[in-house]
Amino acid sequence: QVQLQESGPGLVKPSETLSLTCTVSGGSISSYYWSWIRQPPGKGLEWIGYIYYSGSTNYNPSLKSRVTISVDTSKNQFSLKLSSVTAADTAVYYCARAYYDILTDYYYGMDVWGQGTTVTVSS
Amino acid sequence: EIVLTQSPGTLSLSPGERATLSCRASQSVSSSYLAWYQQKPGQAPRLLIYGASSRATGIPDRFSGSGSGTDFTLTISRLEPEDFAVYYCQQYGSSPPALTFGGGTKVEIK
Repeated sequence: QVQLQESGPGLVKPSETLSLTCTVSGGSISSYYWSWIRQPPGKGLEWIGYIYYSGSTNYNPSLKSRVTISVDTSKNQFSLKLSSVTAADTAVYYCARAYYDILTDYYYGMDVWGQGTTVTVSS
Repeated sequence: EIVLTQSPGTLSLSPGERATLSCRASQSVSSSYLAWYQQKPGQAPRLLIYGASSRATGIPDRFSGSGSGTDFTLTISRLEPEDFAVYYCQQYGSSPPALTFGGGTKVEIK
């Protein structure tokens, strides 16, 4: 079955750029929305943004100025870059697969998640 | 931007009891766009319900979802020990595009 695995540095310095990659295995990256979600320690889930396999993106307005999500279909990977990080960006970062059927206008939820990777912003 | 408010923040119940969790949207949401997730400590969230009332693959039938418009409910008919966790609702927004989560409800053992 499809599995997702996040990878990237666990420690990022303030003002630098956080970079994470999610590798999709066991299936194709086509026809889905690929999302990044984060969870600060002891807090709830925050959607960061998603990319459709074709490359179109949508971002959380609160993070939009600092976020870039890209996809590499040849490697079955998608990536997150978050610039100018501060301690408030310390969180567990998850990647997840979501499916929205445009023909039936139906959202099937985020059915596959990575295990999450902890990113700490500290000097 | 639609805001999802979940209540209560914490629900203290005993195994075998019924749990009723609420998710209220700041404006009307299509039932086709509403999902629920379960998250246990140290784990990624797991999809429970999509389309407000359809159970995801492998989800026991003690979990059910209902609602429309601005008010949605997740019901766990009889709590099993493994059901004590945090539950989140989520909506897919098309205008503006977004995948907003509610703040979560923790179901804890009484």
